[in-house]
Amino acid sequence: EIVMTQSPATLSVSPGERATLSCRASQSVSNNLAWYQQKPGQAPRLLIYGASTRAPGIPARFSGSGSGTEFTLTISSLQSEDFAVYFCQKYNNWPLTFGGGTKVEIK
Amino acid sequence: EVQLVESGGGLFQPGGSLRLSCAASGFTFNNHWMSWVRQAPGKGLEWVANIHQDGSEKHYVDSVEGRFTISRDNAKNSLYLQMNSLRADDTAVYYCALVGIVGATTFDYWGQGTLVTVSS
Repeated sequence: EIVMTQSPATLSVSPGERATLSCRASQSVSNNLAWYQQKPGQAPRLLIYGASTRAPGIPARFSGSGSGTEFTLTISSLQSEDFAVYFCQKYNNWPLTFGGGTKVEIK
Repeated sequence: EVQLVESGGGLFQPGGSLRLSCAASGFTFNNHWMSWVRQAPGKGLEWVANIHQDGSEKHYVDSVEGRFTISRDNAKNSLYLQMNSLRADDTAVYYCALVGIVGATTFDYWGQGTLVTVSS
């Protein structure tokens, strides 16, 4: 089973600043990597798939990069509504697995 | 508008059984894989099971294999999860998710979730 590891566990950022979140796979997943955002009390929302393609309706300040085992989600200028938990997920084979999440909090 | 509405959660005893349901609307249900994903209180996300459009192919996470069964009724636009031999570590919010709208095995739309608590 491929293990997904996210870092850091918590990221403290000021509004308007850039946030960079990392996700590492224990084996290559090619570009079969997605990112989700989850706010308290809500279901997750798909942000990015194919490692770098924004899902419909996702603002351009969200971008994804990477391939193989190393991936990055970048939020270029944090807005108040972006403070949340972010999860990566690989989907190249079964089982589908998620990373443990990164909480982006207000600094 | 895609809508997924889960039901069937509650408090259940270890060793017991329950069936979760998910009512789907706003899309062509029989064109898409569907999933169940769970989240234990204060924890991360765990994929539970997927089912093919016509129910012919199913996949499960190891921890539920042999205990849980995913199924669907395309005539009723409904997804189900039969959960047997419940354990305390099955306690979680269970989400129904629509898979593959964007052409990948991703969870593209989610329901609001239903809480399953397993405790004596």
